[in-house]
Amino acid sequence: AQSVTQLGSHVSVSEGALVLLRCNYSSSVPPYLFWYVQYPNQGLQLLLKYTSAATLVKGINGFEAEFKKSETSFHLTKPSAHMSDAAEYFCAVSQAGNTPLVFGKGTRLSVIA
Amino acid sequence: DTGVSQDPRHKITKRGQNVTFRCDPISEHNRLYWYRQTLGQGPEFLTYFQNEAQLEKSRLLSDRFSAERPKGSFSTLEIQRTEQGDSAMYLCASSSLHRDGYTFGSGTRLTVV
Repeated sequence: AQSVTQLGSHVSVSEGALVLLRCNYSSSVPPYLFWYVQYPNQGLQLLLKYTSAATLVKGINGFEAEFKKSETSFHLTKPSAHMSDAAEYFCAVSQAGNTPLVFGKGTRLSVIA
Repeated sequence: DTGVSQDPRHKITKRGQNVTFRCDPISEHNRLYWYRQTLGQGPEFLTYFQNEAQLEKSRLLSDRFSAERPKGSFSTLEIQRTEQGDSAMYLCASSSLHRDGYTFGSGTRLTVV
């Protein structure tokens, strides 16, 4: 079975500050890992994905994540937060790139001016 | 490519009524997934299809829920005898068998009163 734990249900940062959203996973097989962003009353938009290639993955809107097998982590970072980054972020894992995703509970990011 | 479409966007129904939601995936995607998301939680997997075959159903999918994908294109999710606990966002996603990644629709928000 696979699972995802997102540490911190709510993270608040100042505009221009580093964003760090934490994700740890559990998987009995090499995982495929994803970060999604969700704005209110909308669906999920893919930020980035890890599919066993490079361990440092760059995504859209300046986000990136690093796969660390030894730590079973896939933390999401952005060097400088923007007001438009305020949203809900979900980490997810799957056994392959086209089998059902298992999501974490999400982290709500607030950006303070 | 118009993305994944879900209809309706919002549905308000009285407890005990039946409701049906529709999902139109990306045309070349042969896998289609249904998820349920309650307030403050991550999406939870319900069921998925490869073409018209239903490959897996979650234990969350009680006997009041049924999903179909009759011609391997669009899918419907029906909830019979709705309960207040069914109030949630229902998300549909699709993927290709041969490529990694999922595309989500904007969801159908169900409110049972």
